[in-house]
Amino acid sequence: AQKVTQAQTEISVVEKEDVTLDCVYETRDTTYYLFWYKQPPSGELVFLIRRNSFDEQNEISGRYSWNFQKSTSSFNFTITASQVVDSAVYFCALSVTNTGNQFYFGTGTSLTVIP
Amino acid sequence: KAGVTQTPRYLIKTRGQQVTLSCSPISGHRSVSWYQQTPGQGLQFLFEYFSETQRNKGNFPGRFSGRQFSNSRSEMNVSTLELGDSALYLCASSRQGSMNTEAFFGQGTRLTVV
Repeated sequence: AQKVTQAQTEISVVEKEDVTLDCVYETRDTTYYLFWYKQPPSGELVFLIRRNSFDEQNEISGRYSWNFQKSTSSFNFTITASQVVDSAVYFCALSVTNTGNQFYFGTGTSLTVIP
Repeated sequence: KAGVTQTPRYLIKTRGQQVTLSCSPISGHRSVSWYQQTPGQGLQFLFEYFSETQRNKGNFPGRFSGRQFSNSRSEMNVSTLELGDSALYLCASSRQGSMNTEAFFGQGTRLTVV
């Protein structure tokens, strides 16, 4: 069975602080993809990143960076120098072989950036 | 390029009624998936359609059904509504619907059952 755990329910930081959102996943599949999505108050899920199970390279995109470690089954997301516009709910998700477009989502982390 | 369009954005229905939600995917995308989002259960997969065929189904009762048309637009139907069906229903479209393709989500339909 597949499972994604986001232990942090809510996080508050002051603007310009760095913040890391944790994600731990479980799967027995050797081929899988991990995702991060952002959900602003408007409701739609905005794609942030996709990483396959064979690529453990960390990735940086502007103020965003992701750390994928298969040894600990974690795919953590760091926002550097947070801004008020980063306030949203962030979801980590897992997709495995032969389940098409089915995502297994974590419960989400609500991030509030205080000005 | 137009995004994923879900209609209506808001709905209020009475217990026992049925409801139909619509999702128009991005042009060229053949896969449409539906998710239910509630505060208690989070985001849960309902089903996926690809080229008019249901390819995958989540663990929901038969009251939840869907279909996809030849233009890839999809509808989901919930019959005999229950209070617990109150949720944000999100649809996602992707070109191929495989796990390695990016999925784009609509803004959702917020259904309230009273």
